[in-house]
Amino acid sequence: ETGVTQSPTHLIKTRGQQVTLRCSSQSGHNTVSWYQQALGQGPQFIFQYYREEENGRGNFPPRFSGLQFPNYSSELNVNALELDDSALYLCASRLGQGGSYNEQFFGPGTRLTVL
Amino acid sequence: SQQGEEDPQALSIQEGENATMNCSYKTSINNLQWYRQNSGRGLVHLILIRSNEREKHSGRLRVTLDTSKKSSSLLITASRAADTASYFCATEIWSKNAGGTSYGKLTFGQGTILTVHP
Repeated sequence: ETGVTQSPTHLIKTRGQQVTLRCSSQSGHNTVSWYQQALGQGPQFIFQYYREEENGRGNFPPRFSGLQFPNYSSELNVNALELDDSALYLCASRLGQGGSYNEQFFGPGTRLTVL
Repeated sequence: SQQGEEDPQALSIQEGENATMNCSYKTSINNLQWYRQNSGRGLVHLILIRSNEREKHSGRLRVTLDTSKKSSSLLITASRAADTASYFCATEIWSKNAGGTSYGKLTFGQGTILTVHP
């Protein structure tokens, strides 16, 4: 157990709907990153939040958005869901922003299925 | 495209044998990390090797990094059935956003599925 928790564990949505996934970072960790892992693939970086601001983003469209709260917990929001959004969504927390060798700790993930 | 490419895609061995997984990447990196994932669950961090390091050990794990060849290997010695999992290499590159704030982006390979038979 890493101390990073995610909710819900599983979620089923239909195409066009919106979804919010939640992540609580490990105590004291001020940076949260989100990753999308399609079946049989490695995780892909969506974005990173540091001190409540998005400070890095991967190749994902604007309908993927997020928030980070003062307690460093985070949300991932996906609008206008598409079938290809079906994946395991992982969040990871670390101490400090980029440019450090601090380990990232991953949560157990949320499995999203879009029908 | 994936920064890291892993080889082999699948590896099946007997308990007690050694398992070697390889990872190649395309661009300069700040560090390379190896992770383990059991049955589509969260990732467990195994080891981080900095770009100026060549070898690192942690228990039964040995990681090498050759930046001239842009490749890394993970060796698991005396494997156990509990080592059965998917293993991913991830390269980290530090970047700065438009506001000048730095962030670290992990880019993962597609992973190696390791099966250790009792």
